[in-house]
Amino acid sequence: GNSVTQMEGPVTLSEEAFLTINCTYTATGYPSLFWYVQYPGEGLQLLLKATKADDKGSNKGFEATYRKETTSFHLEKGSVQVSDSAVYFCALKGGATNKLIFGTGTLLAVQP
Amino acid sequence: NAGVTQTPKFQVLKTGQSMTLQCAQDMNHNSMYWYRQDPGMGLRLIYYSASEGTTDKGEVPNGYNVSRLNKREFSLRLESAAPSQTSVYFCASSEIAGSYGYTFGSGTRLTVV
Repeated sequence: GNSVTQMEGPVTLSEEAFLTINCTYTATGYPSLFWYVQYPGEGLQLLLKATKADDKGSNKGFEATYRKETTSFHLEKGSVQVSDSAVYFCALKGGATNKLIFGTGTLLAVQP
Repeated sequence: NAGVTQTPKFQVLKTGQSMTLQCAQDMNHNSMYWYRQDPGMGLRLIYYSASEGTTDKGEVPNGYNVSRLNKREFSLRLESAAPSQTSVYFCASSEIAGSYGYTFGSGTRLTVV
């Protein structure tokens, strides 16, 4: 079945550092891929998405490229801020159902 | 503001008590979902409703029931709460098909003692 694997956290960075959070997936067909962000005490918010191979999703300085050859959708940001501290979830949706399948989440802590 | 509204935000139950978590969306979405979030396990789907009048089990349905009351509302019921059901519960909604993501509510933090 479909599944998502993302790197375990926590990831601790200093402000202005480069961020990469790895995400790989297993799926039949051509799923859509998503990154969600959860700030402390809040629900999940859609950060970015990509719907086909080689698409790049971007939002708020974050980017992720849909790589079908490596079945990956790594999240990157060139310069993180303290306000980026949150839990980041990789997810996919595909096949006959409309269900999103989530990774386990990666906690990012950015220190001033 | 448009979105998904969950009530209550916090709840403490004693083992064996029952309760219903309420969820409503005002985006005219067809599909609605209930997830639970536990440390180290991400989000796990409890039940979902692909469209009004239908419900289906997700990954962890045991101990729960749901009702899709109408297109807007999707409730989750715990008939006899157990400590293992201590968790944060999220409701979400989406369009029925396509590449859209989900819109999530802000969650209900439930503690069963």
